[in-house]
Amino acid sequence: AQSVTQPDIHITVSEGASLELRCNYSYGATPYLFWYVQSPGQGLQLLLKYFSGDTLVQGIKGFEAEFKRSQSSFNLRKPSVHWSDAAEYFCAVKGGYQKVTFGIGTKLQVIP
Amino acid sequence: DGGITQSPKYLFRKEGQNVTLSCEQNLNHDAMYWYRQDPGQGLRLIYYSQIVNDFQKGDIAEGYSVSREKKESFPLTVTSAQKNPTAFYLCASSIGAGLAVQETQYFGPGTRLLVL
Repeated sequence: AQSVTQPDIHITVSEGASLELRCNYSYGATPYLFWYVQSPGQGLQLLLKYFSGDTLVQGIKGFEAEFKRSQSSFNLRKPSVHWSDAAEYFCAVKGGYQKVTFGIGTKLQVIP
Repeated sequence: DGGITQSPKYLFRKEGQNVTLSCEQNLNHDAMYWYRQDPGQGLRLIYYSQIVNDFQKGDIAEGYSVSREKKESFPLTVTSAQKNPTAFYLCASSIGAGLAVQETQYFGPGTRLLVL
């Protein structure tokens, strides 16, 4: 079985500050990992994904994520947050031929 | 422009009524999915289809039905048996299913279903 945990339901950061959103997964082998972003009332947009190779993955909108096998984590980072980054962020995991499992999401609020 | 369209954006259902949500994609993807999104619960898989004329139940299929008569289309019917249908419904598609590289999912804009 696989599972994914996003421990922070809500995060508030100041514009220009750095951001790290946490994601922990459970799976017996190396899973495939995704980060999506959702603006209010919209669908999900793929930010980045990790399948294999370099554990630091670059995505769109200046985001990156690092796969750490020893910590079962795939945290999303951005060095400087913009007001337009306010949204909900979902981490997702896929192990082998299982279907993708999504986390419950982290809502990001950006304050001036 | 390739993408996934969902209609309508808002849908109202009366008690005892069946309603159908539309999902169309022009990405030439084989696999399509329906998710339900409720606040604080993330996305839950309702049904998915890996190929035309074939579909499988997801985690919460009760009270829902689907069809896949065309590659581009995967409509979802919310039946009267679904007692708590108020939610945001998301359709997604992927090149294929099984291997992760094929199953990177791309989402439509969603349909919000409300009960009158």
